[in-house]
Amino acid sequence: ELKVEQNPLFLSMQEGKNYTIYCNYSTTSDRLYWYRQDPGKSLESLFVLLSNGAVKQEGRLMASLDTKARLSTLHITAAVHDLSATYFCAVDKIGGSEKLVFGKGTKLTVNP
Amino acid sequence: DVKVTQSSRYLVKRTGEKVFLECVQDMDHENMFWYRQDPGLGLRLIYFSYDVKMKEKGDIPEGYSVSREKKERFSLILESASTNQTSMYLCASSLGSVRETEAFFGQGTRLTVV
Repeated sequence: ELKVEQNPLFLSMQEGKNYTIYCNYSTTSDRLYWYRQDPGKSLESLFVLLSNGAVKQEGRLMASLDTKARLSTLHITAAVHDLSATYFCAVDKIGGSEKLVFGKGTKLTVNP
Repeated sequence: DVKVTQSSRYLVKRTGEKVFLECVQDMDHENMFWYRQDPGLGLRLIYFSYDVKMKEKGDIPEGYSVSREKKERFSLILESASTNQTSMYLCASSLGSVRETEAFFGQGTRLTVV
């Protein structure tokens, strides 16, 4: 059974600081996704990572994937208040049916 | 832009009622999903469908059924609503497995069962 674990689940940081969110998954997978959710809103796609060593960057966020370690990271550089949200990683199950399995999410609060 | 539309943002239903949650996507996606989101539990997959009239159980299908009669529409049915089904329900759609794309989500339906 595919399991996805994120840590930390809660992250409070100051503006201008750097931090990394980790996403581990238990079995081989095809693809890894990062989503952002603002309070009361739906999920917005941030990154799609398709292969070992993939790295994608958008603004102050950078995501990477290590399929051998079954680990993805979401790195935040020089955080700003607007990045406050909950971030989810999700993994596709390999073989057979399509199934997105989500981590529990990391609630990020960036304080002035 | 991909659009996934859920029929209601907020619903209040009574215990024992039959409840229909509707989801429509406009991008000809093969895959459609229903999740529920609860605090501390993240998103849990209820059912998904990879083609018209095809469905598969997710991780928590008990108490739910689904219907996909047309490619663009995926319905979640609570046969007899219970208070433990109070939750946020999210619908999503994506292209088929051979194409590299993420799932797109609807705005969510917050269901309260009283």
